[in-house]
Amino acid sequence: SQQGEEDPQALSIQEGENATMNCSYKTSINNLQWYRQNSGRGLVHLILIRSNEREKHSGRLRVTLDTSKKSSSLLITASRAADTASYFCATEKENRDDKIIFGKGTRLHILP
Amino acid sequence: DVKVTQSSRYLVKRTGEKVFLECVQDMDHENMFWYRQDPGLGLRLIYFSYDVKMKEKGDIPEGYSVSREKKERFSLILESASTNQTSMYLCASSFGTGDGYTFGSGTRLTVV
Repeated sequence: SQQGEEDPQALSIQEGENATMNCSYKTSINNLQWYRQNSGRGLVHLILIRSNEREKHSGRLRVTLDTSKKSSSLLITASRAADTASYFCATEKENRDDKIIFGKGTRLHILP
Repeated sequence: DVKVTQSSRYLVKRTGEKVFLECVQDMDHENMFWYRQDPGLGLRLIYFSYDVKMKEKGDIPEGYSVSREKKERFSLILESASTNQTSMYLCASSFGTGDGYTFGSGTRLTVV
């Protein structure tokens, strides 16, 4: 039961540039979350944005949420080699207590 | 540093064996989850639990069972391992609705 879908599937940019990843989803949500996964490891929670929020910042990360379009974007500014990873959006649906559904992810590669 | 610990990073088992994957969290979280991650399919929810001795089926429970006898421990059981259960297994926990998940490092299981 896929809910979120990230775009693009893969992204390569030069170090120092900004990286933008998008997520679209299908049903109404309580919140949307972004996670990072380094190769072969577990996921790390980056940021959570609630359905009544439009924008949120955490360090070099900026997340926006447009509930009318059922979409979110994750912006990483001034990218670094260490940002190379897969990024997943995950949505907690309305009335689906505590359970979140993940998209398939965007693979981000930062070129030196 | 709070964490979720999965007992094995790599595991090789034979077809037909009963396999136990253990997950322990030290954050007093109510909720625990088991996912499997496969290339092209993303993360898929196998089982989850909101409380001790409670369990709920996720999207792909067939061939799996779980046990939660203590709050901090959530075990995934492959009753009779098959080659199509070769995958990366990820355990996660959360405090509740609107809380991000904390993931373990994953167990890469190979069934031969």
